Amino acid sequence: KNQVEQSPQSLIILEGKNCTLQCNYTVSPFSNLRWYKQDTGRGPVSLTIMTFSENTKSNGRYTATLDADTKQSSLHITASQLSDSASYICVGDPGAGSYQLTFGKGTKLSVIP
Amino acid sequence: DAGVTQSPTHLIKTRGQQVTLRCSPISGHKSVSWYQQVLGQGPQFIFQYYEKEERGRGNFPDRFSARQFPNYSSELNVNALLLGDSALYLCASSLAWDYAEDDGTQYFGPGTRLTVL
Repeated sequence: KNQVEQSPQSLIILEGKNCTLQCNYTVSPFSNLRWYKQDTGRGPVSLTIMTFSENTKSNGRYTATLDADTKQSSLHITASQLSDSASYICVGDPGAGSYQLTFGKGTKLSVIP
Repeated sequence: DAGVTQSPTHLIKTRGQQVTLRCSPISGHKSVSWYQQVLGQGPQFIFQYYEKEERGRGNFPDRFSARQFPNYSSELNVNALLLGDSALYLCASSLAWDYAEDDGTQYFGPGTRLTVL
C-alpha cells in the first residue's frame, strides 16, 4: 500500500527563523515528489515538484530535497513569514498516465511574531 | 485567468440525502480530479476524468459518482449521505493526464465544505 508519512505533525516557530519539514514515502511506481501548501479551509497550492533523479529544487524561500535511495524528502523554509502559517503536504506521484497521487497528512506550521 | 472554481462553498445535509457538487476547471484544462479531505488528514483521491471519460477511481463506495461535461466542467454526486461523508471536497484540474503538455501539476479549487447532520 502506498504511504506518505510526514513529521512533525505540527510546528511553531518565530517569525524570521528557518525550519525543515520531513517526508518519508513508500510509493510504487514512483516518478515525482511534490510539496503543496494548504491554507486553512482552502485548496492546496503547488510549491515544488522533483523527479526521482533530482536532489533539490528551490522556489523562493522554499527548498525541497529528495533522496530517492532512502525515500525521504524535506522542505526547508528560510526566513519564515507570518504568511507561511499553513499545512505543508508531501505528495508521492507515480507519474504520467497514473491518477493515484498519495498525499501525506501534512505538517501544520504556525509562524508567530 | 480564473482558477478552479467550485460551488457551493458550504453545504449542510442530513443523513440519507443526496448532494451534487460542481467544479469548473482552469480554461484549457481537460482533466478534473476529485478528492475528499477529512479534517486533519490529507486529500484522498475519489475520481479522475479526462476528456469526459473516467480515468481512475479511488477506494470509495458506489454511492459516489461523477461525470465530466463537454466544456470540461464536472459534477460529483454522493447518494445516501452518511455522517462520515462530512469533509472538504476538493476539485483539481490539470492540462492532461499523460503529462505530455506540462509536469502534471494539479491546480486545486477552494473546495466545498459538506456537513452531514
